[in-house]
Amino acid sequence: DTEVTQTPKHLVMGMTNKKSLKCEQHMGHRAMYWYKQKAKKPPELMFVYSYEKLSINESVPSRFSPECPNSSLLNLHLHALQPEDSALYLCASGVVEAGSNTGELFFGEGSRLTVL
Amino acid sequence: SQKIEQNSEALNIQEGKTATLTCNYTNYSPAYLQWYRQDPGRGPVFLLLIRENEKEKRKERLKVTFDTTLKQSLFHITASQPADSATYLCALESGNTGKLIFGQGTTLQVKP
Repeated sequence: DTEVTQTPKHLVMGMTNKKSLKCEQHMGHRAMYWYKQKAKKPPELMFVYSYEKLSINESVPSRFSPECPNSSLLNLHLHALQPEDSALYLCASGVVEAGSNTGELFFGEGSRLTVL
Repeated sequence: SQKIEQNSEALNIQEGKTATLTCNYTNYSPAYLQWYRQDPGRGPVFLLLIRENEKEKRKERLKVTFDTTLKQSLFHITASQPADSATYLCALESGNTGKLIFGQGTTLQVKP
């Protein structure tokens, strides 16, 4: 069983909707990540939070807005998405020291997003 | 430009044989390299990490090698089983940035 919990597992939304994806971990990890994965492609990094501060934004469009309310929670707020944003959104956590990932990432099972 | 290439998109082998997957990288100097397993519709699961000063690492039926001169890692599954069928991803950190970047993956199919 994964120790990173993502909700919802599935989400269908229209292009004018506002929704949020949520991620929670209780392993004490201080780095949290959002990845996007399209079918038959590898996960692509979107955002990294280190000690609750946004440390990396991989030039993601502003219709995706991350938030890290505390060390255990990570949200991804979605607004005015496009059909091409449909994908599996993966949250991960890991240990970070001196700005560098020091080992394995623990992934959640993902939220499958469909934009109509 | 920086690249991580896994040489085969798909690999089909017979049960009991050894599967060997390849990961090559260009214009990176990783301190370590990781391998993950991903089943359809699920998140990747960490398998092994090998550091730049390690030549080989083993875990049960899994073995990873890391050659920083060739810029290559090999991932072996011995005595393969149908339950090993999945996509295997190699990953490395870009510089000292905290960014873990994945190769495109190799889908392994083990036939009984």
